[in-house]
Amino acid sequence: ETGVTQSPTHLIKTRGQQVTLRCSSQSGHNTVSWYQQALGQGPQFIFQYYREEENGRGNFPPRFSGLQFPNYSSELNVNALELDDSALYLCASSLDASGRETQYFGPGTRLLVL
Amino acid sequence: SQKIEQNSEALNIQEGKTATLTCNYTNYSPAYLQWYRQDPGRGPVFLLLIRENEKEKRKERLKVTFDTTLKQSLFHITASQPADSATYLCALGSGYQLIWGAGTKLIIKP
Repeated sequence: ETGVTQSPTHLIKTRGQQVTLRCSSQSGHNTVSWYQQALGQGPQFIFQYYREEENGRGNFPPRFSGLQFPNYSSELNVNALELDDSALYLCASSLDASGRETQYFGPGTRLLVL
Repeated sequence: SQKIEQNSEALNIQEGKTATLTCNYTNYSPAYLQWYRQDPGRGPVFLLLIRENEKEKRKERLKVTFDTTLKQSLFHITASQPADSATYLCALGSGYQLIWGAGTKLIIKP
């Protein structure tokens, strides 16, 4: 186990709705990254938070937003859900934002948009 | 645009043999490369990191090579076991952002 937890494990939403996914990082890890993984594909980088500030963003629209809290928890919010948002959403925590430190992944939240 | 290629077909290996997985990339000069293992329904698990100035890295039965001229990394599992069956992902980075391959499914047959 990596010590990173995510909730919920599964979620079903309809198009146009909003969703909040949650992640609890390892204690002491001040960096969290969020990824979207479609079936049969590798993870796609959504964004990274370092010490509660967005540190970098991948090619995702603004309706994907996040928050990081001082207690090592974080959220991914997705507004105006689209069918293509159906995927496994992963969070990963690490000691710093350099990318060279090991990233510890949670088990993911599987989102289905109908 | 940046592209990472891993064998899309599953790799079937007899138990005890060496499994070799390939990661090729184009239009990119990564500072480091990471290999992860992912089991069904789970998040990726970090295995090894190799930097651009390193040719080879080993950890127990695992070995990774990194050839920046060929733009290729090879991932070897020696004395493979059925428990090694999983999908293996390579990820390239230069800074905080990782770019991932789609993974290769490895099946070790008893």
